[in-house]
Amino acid sequence: GAVVSQHPSRVICKSGTSVKIECRSLDFQATTMFWYRQFPKQSLMLMATSNEGSKATYEQGVEKDKFLINHASLTLSTLTVTSAHPEDSSFYICSASPLRGRSQETQYFGPGTRLLVL
Amino acid sequence: LAKTTQPISMDSYEGQEVNITCSHNNIATNDYITWYQQFPSQGPRFIIQGYKTKVTNEVASLFIPADRKSSTLSLPRVSLSDTAVYYCLVGDRGFQKLVFGTGTRLLVSP
Repeated sequence: GAVVSQHPSRVICKSGTSVKIECRSLDFQATTMFWYRQFPKQSLMLMATSNEGSKATYEQGVEKDKFLINHASLTLSTLTVTSAHPEDSSFYICSASPLRGRSQETQYFGPGTRLLVL
Repeated sequence: LAKTTQPISMDSYEGQEVNITCSHNNIATNDYITWYQQFPSQGPRFIIQGYKTKVTNEVASLFIPADRKSSTLSLPRVSLSDTAVYYCLVGDRGFQKLVFGTGTRLLVSP
């Protein structure tokens, strides 16, 4: 149980275009989903926290107008990288905490999305 | 948020037991300790979580002393496929925020 999926797994786009990444909790409902970014050989960095039906909370230094987050349901959150530039190329990972059950304190991570902006 | 400190890297051989210790001196009363494993180009995978004393599951054990200022992940009889980065995280119920440290890069050799 506690499976999180992401789509697409990898995407290549031209500079200036927008890219949407989906994060789904497949077998549980999640009130809270998290978005991370990871550069090569580095640790995960939290970008934002999204709660179903409300605006996301962004970490300091993360541009909310550039990284649009929508958490429309208890099983789906999306991250849209707007006007992507080469420096946005990274590995984006989402995670979700189960709404109920004994694993409420645990975050479960998706497989990640590799974004390459040319 | 409790800051964690782990060794940057560890080396082991197949079949050995590996113990990775994490320091979290300013852990709060409500904080849980969770360990994740990450392979290259994959999302972190949950290994084990605990609050105090000892927790064991099918893949690992987690030892937490009474003062909870540190914890040790124990991997019995590692194999080559256990080569990965291991992260220790500390957070309260609901895990409103998880701060990833540098992690420990474990290399298992034949």
